[in-house]
Amino acid sequence: GENVEQHPSTLSVQEGDSAVIKCTYSDSASNYFPWYKQELGKGPQLIIDIRSNVGEKKDQRIAVTLNKTAKHFSLHITETQPEDSAVYFCAARKAAGNKLTFGGGTRVLVKP
Amino acid sequence: DTAVSQTPKYLVTQMGNDKSIKCEQNLGHDTMYWYKQDSKKFLKIMFSYNNKELIINETVPNRFSPKSPDKAHLNLHINSLELGDSAVYFCASSQDLAKNEQFFGPGTRLTVL
Repeated sequence: GENVEQHPSTLSVQEGDSAVIKCTYSDSASNYFPWYKQELGKGPQLIIDIRSNVGEKKDQRIAVTLNKTAKHFSLHITETQPEDSAVYFCAARKAAGNKLTFGGGTRVLVKP
Repeated sequence: DTAVSQTPKYLVTQMGNDKSIKCEQNLGHDTMYWYKQDSKKFLKIMFSYNNKELIINETVPNRFSPKSPDKAHLNLHINSLELGDSAVYFCASSQDLAKNEQFFGPGTRLTVL
């Protein structure tokens, strides 16, 4: 089955700096890669996603890149703000059944 | 106007008891899921249902039995609770099996003593 590795497990950045989280996946059949943000005491919330036919996608301060050949994808947050502090999860999905396999999560702390 | 709701939010119970967690979505989605998040925050799918039909069953002990009375509801019943069942359980839904985005509920923190 699919295996998703996520690094780093914790990330501390100064407000205004950029944060980068990297994930690798094992199954070349995976074709959809979402990123979720989980705030304390809440459920994960989708913040951005990318499909396998696209190499990069941007939404304001958030961008995701995908390298299908190397089977890795990354989340970039620019101009970080304290409210970006949360746990971020990457995931990968194959077409059948809409089953998401999640990475282990990255706890991001943005220091004011 | 909550999209995916779960009850209860917290559940504390003794080993060996039977308990249920309820989930409802008002998004008109066809597909619903249960995930387990352990103490290290690792999220793993347990079940998915599409139009009340079981699609995914991820080697979950048969003490766990999901039930979908209709498309908008997916409940999780757990028999003979064990210490290792302590976790946060999340319900989620998506428009259908082809539409990727999954919307998560707020979670139910289950503590087994």
